Amino acid sequence: TQLLEQSPQFLSIQEGENLTVYCNSSSVFSSLQWYRQEPGEGPVLLVTVVTGGEVKKLKRLTFQFGDARKDSSLHITAAQPGDTGLYLCAGLKAAGNKLTFGGGTRVLVKP
Amino acid sequence: NAGVMQNPRHLVRRRGQEARLRCSPMKGHSHVYWYRQLPEEGLKFMVYLQKENIIDESGMPKERFSAEFPKEGPSILRIQQVVRGDSAAYFCASSPRQGAVVQPQHFGDGTRLSIL
Repeated sequence: TQLLEQSPQFLSIQEGENLTVYCNSSSVFSSLQWYRQEPGEGPVLLVTVVTGGEVKKLKRLTFQFGDARKDSSLHITAAQPGDTGLYLCAGLKAAGNKLTFGGGTRVLVKP
Repeated sequence: NAGVMQNPRHLVRRRGQEARLRCSPMKGHSHVYWYRQLPEEGLKFMVYLQKENIIDESGMPKERFSAEFPKEGPSILRIQQVVRGDSAAYFCASSPRQGAVVQPQHFGDGTRLSIL
């Protein structure tokens, strides 16, 4: 059983469309990190959210941390083919340093 | 500006052999983490180390697996008597000393271990 559930597992959209990826849990996390992973490479950190209700923007990407610090979302506006990849959310509990990863969302943006 | 360096990138072993995976953290980082990514699965935590200390090994299999982070040199993840089920991508991450501010973990590109 995944402690962090990501949805959808796979998303295929046309260039220019918007998309949202969700990361949900019944547990509280002290922080949540979003990564993007390309085939054959390691996860690359996109953002860390720490405060409940926090919203962070990274160009066309908007990240939100839920008020209760149990869920998060990633919204991409006007998606481009370069946004194609595996998006991973990972939570950090207050009492430890190990990341708990969601199962990932594979995003495919078609030109 | 070197990131987390892992080697080898690919490692092939026969059943029963030993596998040694190495990880050099980012400069200035004193915390190292190992994760495993099985085919079609997400990343799972294995072990968290600081220099000369294992802090949390709750994700390590009870047998055949060990990890160290010596005072000098890279962190080593060692798998003895490998079996087919050990085939996976093994990722190392590092972070600065954790304090009041959450320090994100930065990942290497992994070692892909294949067991014949």
